[in-house]
Amino acid sequence: GQQLNQSPQSMFIQEGEDVSMNCTSSSIFNTWLWYKQDPGEGPVLLIALYKAGELTSNGRLTAQFGITRKDSFLNISASIPSDVGIYFCAGQLRTDSNYQLIWGAGTKLIIKP
Amino acid sequence: GAGVSQSPSNKVTEKGKDVELRCDPISGHTALYWYRQSLGQGLEFLIYFQGNSAPDKSGLPSDRFSAERTGGSVSTLTIQRTQQEDSAVYLCASSPQGLTARGFGPGTRLTVL
Repeated sequence: GQQLNQSPQSMFIQEGEDVSMNCTSSSIFNTWLWYKQDPGEGPVLLIALYKAGELTSNGRLTAQFGITRKDSFLNISASIPSDVGIYFCAGQLRTDSNYQLIWGAGTKLIIKP
Repeated sequence: GAGVSQSPSNKVTEKGKDVELRCDPISGHTALYWYRQSLGQGLEFLIYFQGNSAPDKSGLPSDRFSAERTGGSVSTLTIQRTQQEDSAVYLCASSPQGLTARGFGPGTRLTVL
């Protein structure tokens, strides 16, 4: 079945540092999505990418949809304490009129005090 | 405005018992999704409802799992004869027709003893 490989699994960074994480897939996706999950909450959509090569920003976050449609990265610039959480990539396949999301295992971001 | 709500927030049950998990989507959203999240894992698609169309049940792991959506609004996920491997956080999301799920409910943490 489809799989997403997300890396790194976790990151320990200093406040103010830039962060980069990525996902690769064996399948071609029509859409790439990046979500953030805080403890005890459900994931919240950060950025959605719809076209190969698309580069989209949301504040300090920037994400790109790879040209091959099999990969995507998320960058966070000048990290702050509230960036702590788990970041998930997800790829969207359209099958007939239904949607499914295939998810990476997440990147846990921890900011060193 | 009100987001997706789920109940109960936590459920502890004995192996072999049946459980029902409830999802109240955002009013007016025609699409509703159930996902499962095991510890340290990404989300696993379970089932997708879109309006009056037949649901996409392709993610349900066994015939012990079923879901209903009454009146195009509230959804119930039922797990019969629960097993320990069913322990996970069950997440629900909703969206307007044709759009990506932007946010999930807080989830129901199911623990099967």
